[in-house]
Amino acid sequence: GAGVSQTPSNKVTEKGKYVELRCDPISGHTALYWYRQSLGQGPEFLIYFQGTGAADDSGLPNDRFFAVRPEGSVSTLKIQRTERGDSAVYLCASSLQVTHPQYFGPGTRLTVL
Amino acid sequence: ILNVEQSPQSLHVQEGDSTNFTCSFPSSNFYALHWYRWETAKSPEALFVMTLNGDEKKKGRISATLNTKEGYSYLYIKGSQPEDSATYLCASITGNQFYFGTGTSLTVIP
Repeated sequence: GAGVSQTPSNKVTEKGKYVELRCDPISGHTALYWYRQSLGQGPEFLIYFQGTGAADDSGLPNDRFFAVRPEGSVSTLKIQRTERGDSAVYLCASSLQVTHPQYFGPGTRLTVL
Repeated sequence: ILNVEQSPQSLHVQEGDSTNFTCSFPSSNFYALHWYRWETAKSPEALFVMTLNGDEKKKGRISATLNTKEGYSYLYIKGSQPEDSATYLCASITGNQFYFGTGTSLTVIP
């Protein structure tokens, strides 16, 4: 596709459930980023992939959060035992390299009831 | 966690006015600074990537400067237009981590 896509666009789940959020980066972009945005805040860095490996996952808030990028393209952010505080917009972005501009997807709005 | 601050938080200007706002970031271990424009209901759109002290970048009526020694970047908009209304985000890259500010919300009044 022409840009970064994310699915689903909206996800409503119950507390304690497991969710997966998917990101399709721009073809050829080796760097992929996950952010979380809460109301009134700027994007909060979660994790950065260079190729298949997580170059930095220190932004993941706790061990309920995990992300993979097995073939160096599509990435999945996985959240176990969701809590109400996980409700936010989860943004994905990709870039050619870390010094290049990032192109953002439309985000997935996660609501945990 | 790095503290990236943007000021002012919000700004209202008249059409045709020029304006500027600030991004402050810790200068140690600096790698790059990004500026993004974020319109409501859209994804952030990259404006500039700046890496060198003294860098100046320009895109149409928008320009930016960078001072890595003192840890700040200015974004300038010349002759603001209503379509410039958006939130302008900066992000400081240190090592492999990206720290966004909370943005400056610009409203241009026709």
